[in-house]
Amino acid sequence: DGGITQSPKYLFRKEGQNVTLSCEQNLNHDAMYWYRQDPGQGLRLIYYSQIVNDFQKGDIAEGYSVSREKKESFPLTVTSAQKNPTAFYLCASSIGTETTQYFGPGTRLTVL
Amino acid sequence: DQQVKQNSPSLSVQEGRISILNCDYTNSMFDYFLWYKKYPAEGPTFLISISSIKDKNEDGRFTVFLNKSAKHLSLHIVPSQPGDSAVYFCAASARNQFYFGTGTSLTVIP
Repeated sequence: DGGITQSPKYLFRKEGQNVTLSCEQNLNHDAMYWYRQDPGQGLRLIYYSQIVNDFQKGDIAEGYSVSREKKESFPLTVTSAQKNPTAFYLCASSIGTETTQYFGPGTRLTVL
Repeated sequence: DQQVKQNSPSLSVQEGRISILNCDYTNSMFDYFLWYKKYPAEGPTFLISISSIKDKNEDGRFTVFLNKSAKHLSLHIVPSQPGDSAVYFCAASARNQFYFGTGTSLTVIP
């Protein structure tokens, strides 16, 4: 069963702590993405990766970091430098960067 | 700067009628457009797409229209069903990046 998974579904952290969100896909997609959704706003791109060991900043990369050591995995770390980390985070993947993206179920992060 | 705009945050339609969701964009370099459907607390699911070389694409009850001169995209759902109630995002792509609208919440009233 191919797909893209994110875990956990809900995550709570104290202010000042770094937290890493997981994203895994078994679709053999080269490209992976992280988006953030806030109420009343469209999805905003945090980081994307076109290929293993390569990634690019999106529109709102400040306070976030990523790695792409394996094709299947694209974890996102929300650092303490991110001023408003509470949000719904969505991971997506696609065959290439100009093709349809398929999304994971999302992780809702709440920073207390 | 919002390059993709959905100016109607919500829309209510009677079951069986047509739902029309609109999307405007500003970047003439966009060459691929998509619609996604999203239920609360879930990731968006791909619905339908259109390339800039076409002006219409149809898939069952869903049709997307593209008016490049007006930089306008619309999604028609006919007939609308209660299960269509969700938030619909339009997206546009250029140069390895996708840009999403803010979404329109569609409610189909039985």
